[in-house]
Amino acid sequence: DAGITQSPRHKVTETGTPVTLRCHQTENHRYMYWYRQDPGHGLRLIHYSYGVKDTDKGEVSDGYSVSRSKTEDFLLTLESATSSQTSVYFCAIQSQSGGMNTEAFFGQGTRLTVV
Amino acid sequence: GQNIDQPTEMTATEGAIVQINCTYQTSGFNGLFWYQQHAGEAPTFLSYNVLDGLEEKGRFSSFLSRSKGYSYLLLKELQMKDSASYLCAVFSGNTPLVFGKGTRLSVIA
Repeated sequence: DAGITQSPRHKVTETGTPVTLRCHQTENHRYMYWYRQDPGHGLRLIHYSYGVKDTDKGEVSDGYSVSRSKTEDFLLTLESATSSQTSVYFCAIQSQSGGMNTEAFFGQGTRLTVV
Repeated sequence: GQNIDQPTEMTATEGAIVQINCTYQTSGFNGLFWYQQHAGEAPTFLSYNVLDGLEEKGRFSSFLSRSKGYSYLLLKELQMKDSASYLCAVFSGNTPLVFGKGTRLSVIA
């Protein structure tokens, strides 16, 4: 199994509080992604990273920020959590081989509930 | 922008063959992935198509036509454990991995 772990696995937080989710990899993969998954919407990209300190926005980035200060960690922060951010969050990692992208591997997911 | 379409739901009988289609419109194309996701679990990798044609892997096969922006996942000898969502995802060099909404497959006896 690919070495990717998310923490925490479950979290309940109150509206207006900051929340940080962590994605940690031991594979030294270049690309890291944060997705959220909601019924009827599938996996939607929040932010992604293509290297240390290199990040960019996905389609649902409002209300979220990310940081990647080292290859192995990609942090997702909700500055002020809202009920609309209740979701399951998945981190994924992806590498390149011979100039081609390889398959992406997913973490176990974090179930976040904002009350 | 990128647009990826899949049927929302499909039902098939145990032992049968089912084809799940995916059409995409993207700016650039580097490859197409298929993932399987059981309820409450993370997606797991099934197949990766870069060039046109069929890639076979056991009971699962995936086909790609880049000129038509079309792919399908073929599942043979369906088993009850194949009941899951199947996700199509496209990667194009300058844009990240983007997923369709997924197809929920129910296998019935």
